[in-house]
Amino acid sequence: DAGVIQSPRHEVTEMGQEVTLRCKPISGHDYLFWYRQTMMRGLELLIYFNNNVPIDDSGMPEDRFSAKMPNASFSTLKIQPSEPRDSAVYFCASSDSWDSSYNEQFFGPGTRLTVL
Amino acid sequence: AQSVTQLGSHVSVSEGALVLLRCNYSSSVPPYLFWYVQYPNQGLQLLLKYTTGATLVKGINGFEAEFKKSETSFHLTKPSAHMSDAAEYFCAVSPPSGTYKYIFGTGTRLKVLA
Repeated sequence: DAGVIQSPRHEVTEMGQEVTLRCKPISGHDYLFWYRQTMMRGLELLIYFNNNVPIDDSGMPEDRFSAKMPNASFSTLKIQPSEPRDSAVYFCASSDSWDSSYNEQFFGPGTRLTVL
Repeated sequence: AQSVTQLGSHVSVSEGALVLLRCNYSSSVPPYLFWYVQYPNQGLQLLLKYTTGATLVKGINGFEAEFKKSETSFHLTKPSAHMSDAAEYFCAVSPPSGTYKYIFGTGTRLKVLA
């Protein structure tokens, strides 16, 4: 299996622009998680989905952030408009609730976002 | 509510010395416990996990951790540090059923000195 795939790996944009981050979970996994990692705040859970349905978005910082999962193999995290404080590494992870690995989450390589 | 505390945001050890990274948790029920490692510019990789059964858990790269319910701890150890162990280590807890949501600790950056 290819693992969790994220694109792009690096994104540099200017303040006010729309940014879209993409994630392809491991095939067959029914949970998908979006995290943000910064030096100041560490690793934060933004939102997670189960069977393509958002379950908990309490970590989404503002209305500028939105996430969708139109099907089992694709999810997006969108920031519109972007601000410099959104600069961070964004991770996607997936998990299989039917597997005996007991909640193990598999992480993608991350997208490093820089907003100028 | 669950929480995780990792004591020491930075730990330095000499190559060949014992590695001890501390993790304490707070939970109303025994949770599932995980240690993840993050190498520079990479995603998180599972080192080991405790769910049920034997309280001493062995993971990859020679690491192990012991679940101590009375101390609400899940410290990570390795008898002999290697230069390649330099990375950031995260402890996480998850409820044994339901949300599949992790609570991560703040991480400990391990430096291995030659």
